[in-house]
Amino acid sequence: DAGVIQSPRHEVTEMGQEVTLRCKPISGHNSLFWYRQTMMRGLELLIYFNNNVPIDDSGMPEDRFSAKMPNASFSTLKIQPSEPRDSAVYFCASSPRRAGQPQHFGDGTRLSIL
Amino acid sequence: AQKITQTQPGMFVQEKEAVTLDCTYDTSDPSYGLFWYKQPSSGEMIFLIYQGSYDQQNATEGRYSLNFQKARKSANLVISASQLGDSAMYFCAMRATTGANSKLTFGKGITLSVRP
Repeated sequence: DAGVIQSPRHEVTEMGQEVTLRCKPISGHNSLFWYRQTMMRGLELLIYFNNNVPIDDSGMPEDRFSAKMPNASFSTLKIQPSEPRDSAVYFCASSPRRAGQPQHFGDGTRLSIL
Repeated sequence: AQKITQTQPGMFVQEKEAVTLDCTYDTSDPSYGLFWYKQPSSGEMIFLIYQGSYDQQNATEGRYSLNFQKARKSANLVISASQLGDSAMYFCAMRATTGANSKLTFGKGITLSVRP
């Protein structure tokens, strides 16, 4: 079975540019999570969806960040405009909603904003 | 609110020895689950093992076992017969298993280095 698929794996762009990160969850999983990982702050939950509906976006740092899940098989995380402090590894994870089921993570997108 | 605490500094273990990675938690949820993840230097997050708060027995998964002490609110990961490939960062996490909230709360992680 295919795991969680994220693209791109690496992104280097200049400050002020729009960045779009993409995620395809595991088929049949109805919860999707976006995380950010940095050395300073560790692993932070940005937002999560249940059945394509955003449930908790309290971790989204500011209005420059937005996330969408137009259907059960695709989600995007957009940063506009990007800033150097947004440089991090961004993970997408998915899980079934049933209790006790682990979240399965994608390989992450390593984002560098110059 | 949920909280996971992993306070050990970097851990070292000799190859083939066992090692215990500590995790304590705090929650007001009556039913919850505890998870351990491994993150090697390549960066991916790998699920290792799960323990439910009402499970009668400690979880085991190959060389991984979970020393679950509910009264102490601890869920320590035990790795037996360490291998060089076990060198990685290890994260403890938890979530409530009742209600609609499915998000995980993660600890800050512990770095494990296995010496040959």
